[in-house]
Amino acid sequence: AQTVTQSQPEMSVQEAETVTLSCTYDTSESDYYLFWYKQPPSRQMILVIRQEAYKQQNATENRFSVNFQKAAKSFSLKISDSQLGDAAMYFCAYRAVYTGTASKLTFGTGTRLQVTL
Amino acid sequence: NAGVMQNPRHLVRRRGQEARLRCSPMKGHSHVYWYRQLPEEGLKFMVYLQKENIIDESGMPKERFSAEFPKEGPSILRIQQVVRGDSAAYFCASSPEGLLNQPQHFGDGTRLSIL
Repeated sequence: AQTVTQSQPEMSVQEAETVTLSCTYDTSESDYYLFWYKQPPSRQMILVIRQEAYKQQNATENRFSVNFQKAAKSFSLKISDSQLGDAAMYFCAYRAVYTGTASKLTFGTGTRLQVTL
Repeated sequence: NAGVMQNPRHLVRRRGQEARLRCSPMKGHSHVYWYRQLPEEGLKFMVYLQKENIIDESGMPKERFSAEFPKEGPSILRIQQVVRGDSAAYFCASSPEGLLNQPQHFGDGTRLSIL
C-alpha cells in the first residue's frame, strides 16, 4: 500500500521569506502523480501544484515550486516570497496511475504553516 | 462554471440518528470520491463512484456507511445510527471521466457533529 509522510507538523516563516515543506512517500509503482493541496481555515481544499512522476522537470506555479527526487521518493514544496495568505495546512498527496483503483488520493497528515510579520 | 457543491455545510445529529451528505460534482464530471477528515488529521479515502456504480469502496467502514451516485441527482453518503466517532469533515471531490491526469476538484466539505 502507498503511504505519504509529512514529518513537519508545523512550520513558521516570515513574510517575504522562503520556506520548504517536506514530503516523502512509499510506492512500488513506477508511474504516479504527486500533489500539494492547501487547506486554509475555511477548510477548502485548494490544489497548489502537481507533478507527474515520468517528468524529470520540477513543476512550478508562480511562487510555488517542487523538488521532486524520484529515487529518494521525496517531493518537497518551496514557497518563495511568503505572504500572509499562505498561512494554511498543506497536504501532500499521491495517486497511482495503473492500478485498478488508480483514482484515489492518499494524503499525508499535513503541515501547518504560519506566516509572521 | 459551478464547482463541486456539497450540502449541508454543517450537519448536527444525535447519536443513533441518520446522516445524509450530498455532493453534486462539477459539470461534466462523472467520477465522485468521498474522503473523511478527522480532527487534526489528513483526508482519508472512503469510496469512489461513477454513475450508478461503486468502483472502489475499500475505505468505507464495513457497517453503517453507504454511498450511491444515481443516474440523476447528487451523490449521497449515508451514515446510519451515527456515533460520536463519526464526527468529522466529509469532503467530496470529482473528476472528468477517463482522464487520470486531471486533478480532483474538491467541495467545501460537510462538517458533521454528533451530540
